[in-house]
Amino acid sequence: GIQVEQSPPDLILQEGANSTLRCNFSDSVNNLQWFHQNPWGQLINLFYIPSGTKQNGRLSATTVATERYSLLYISSSQTTDSGVYFCAVEHEYGGSQGNLIFGKGTKLSVKP
Amino acid sequence: DTGVSQDPRHKITKRGQNVTFRCDPISEHNRLYWYRQTLGQGPEFLTYFQNEAQLEKSRLLSDRFSAERPKGSFSTLEIQRTEQGDSAMYLCASSLIFQDTDTQYFGPGTRLTVL
Repeated sequence: GIQVEQSPPDLILQEGANSTLRCNFSDSVNNLQWFHQNPWGQLINLFYIPSGTKQNGRLSATTVATERYSLLYISSSQTTDSGVYFCAVEHEYGGSQGNLIFGKGTKLSVKP
Repeated sequence: DTGVSQDPRHKITKRGQNVTFRCDPISEHNRLYWYRQTLGQGPEFLTYFQNEAQLEKSRLLSDRFSAERPKGSFSTLEIQRTEQGDSAMYLCASSLIFQDTDTQYFGPGTRLTVL
């Protein structure tokens, strides 16, 4: 099956700093989503981005499908950005639909 | 506009008992998904429905697990003869397939502890 690798596994930032999270995947995808899981466990969808670039406030994401990676940028980080960021993909040739494969996540801690 | 809701939020049960969880998707969403998440891991797909039809089941879904979505609205996930290894967070998500997008929106989860 398709492999999803996220880096770094852990990241500690000072409030106000910028960061880049990376997601590598091993095969073609037709669906890629970034999620933030807050300390209470709620998963929030950040971007649906199988290709291209999107921006939403301080967050932006870029997926280069031909090179099989996606990046999530967080600018001017705030303590409320703390939590785990997951990349999830749907294998284009996996024979299934809607079956998101999640990476292990990047745990972000933003210190005041 | 209400999001995805799940009930109960927490369930503690003894090994061997049956448990049932409920998920109410965002209204008009035609797809509903169940995932399981254990500590330190990302969610793992279990099964999904398009309207009332269950279209795919993961190999993780043993014969002790059954899911239904009668009338294409809410869904239930039942685990029979629970085992300690079933302890996890069970997450439900829904989506509306539209113009080739499939953004999934997750509920708060049901945390199951099997003693």
